[in-house]
Amino acid sequence: EAGVTQFPSHSVIEKGQTVTLRCDPISGHDNLYWYRRVMGKEIKFLLHFVKESKQDESGMPNNRFLAERTGGTYSTLKVQPAELEDSGVYFCASSQDRTQGSSYEQYFGPGTRLTVT
Amino acid sequence: AQSVTQLGSHVSVSEGALVLLRCNYSSSVPPYLFWYVQYPNQGLQLLLKYTSAATLVKGINGFEAEFKKSETSFHLTKPSAHMSDAAEYFCAVSDHWTGTASKLTFGTGTRLQVTL
Repeated sequence: EAGVTQFPSHSVIEKGQTVTLRCDPISGHDNLYWYRRVMGKEIKFLLHFVKESKQDESGMPNNRFLAERTGGTYSTLKVQPAELEDSGVYFCASSQDRTQGSSYEQYFGPGTRLTVT
Repeated sequence: AQSVTQLGSHVSVSEGALVLLRCNYSSSVPPYLFWYVQYPNQGLQLLLKYTSAATLVKGINGFEAEFKKSETSFHLTKPSAHMSDAAEYFCAVSDHWTGTASKLTFGTGTRLQVTL
């Protein structure tokens, strides 16, 4: 079974540009999460999808961030326009639904390292 | 609101020595607790989890953790460190009281160094 994949692994962009990060969850996982780790800080929650719906987007820092999950499969996180403080590692995770008998274990992707210069 | 405190951003142990990584949590509801590990250039991997069953939880690679409600702690231990244990370790808490999946709240991480 393939794990959570993220693309790209690294991205370097200039302030003001746009970047789109992609996450492919484990097949069949209804829950998809985005997290971010700014250097030296803790990993922070951004938002949570259940299928194609946003269950919790309380962690989204501002309206420069737009997340989508069309059809309840892969998800994209767009940052437009990027600012210097957006630099960090963006992690995606997925988990099964409770009805599938899971204990909500979240499986993480390798992350996308975003550098805004 | 939930929170996690990991004491010690860096811990260094000798190979063969006991590993003890500390984690204290704060939660207004019964928590689910997790330890994740991140090896260099890799994603987060689940080491072990506490989900209200046995308070002593065994995980992969010889690690275990004990849930102590009275101390609000979930410290990670391994009797004998190996060089391959060098990595960054994250404690996390999740609120499943509503019966639905929810976000993880992480600590700041502890980087474990293992020396010869």
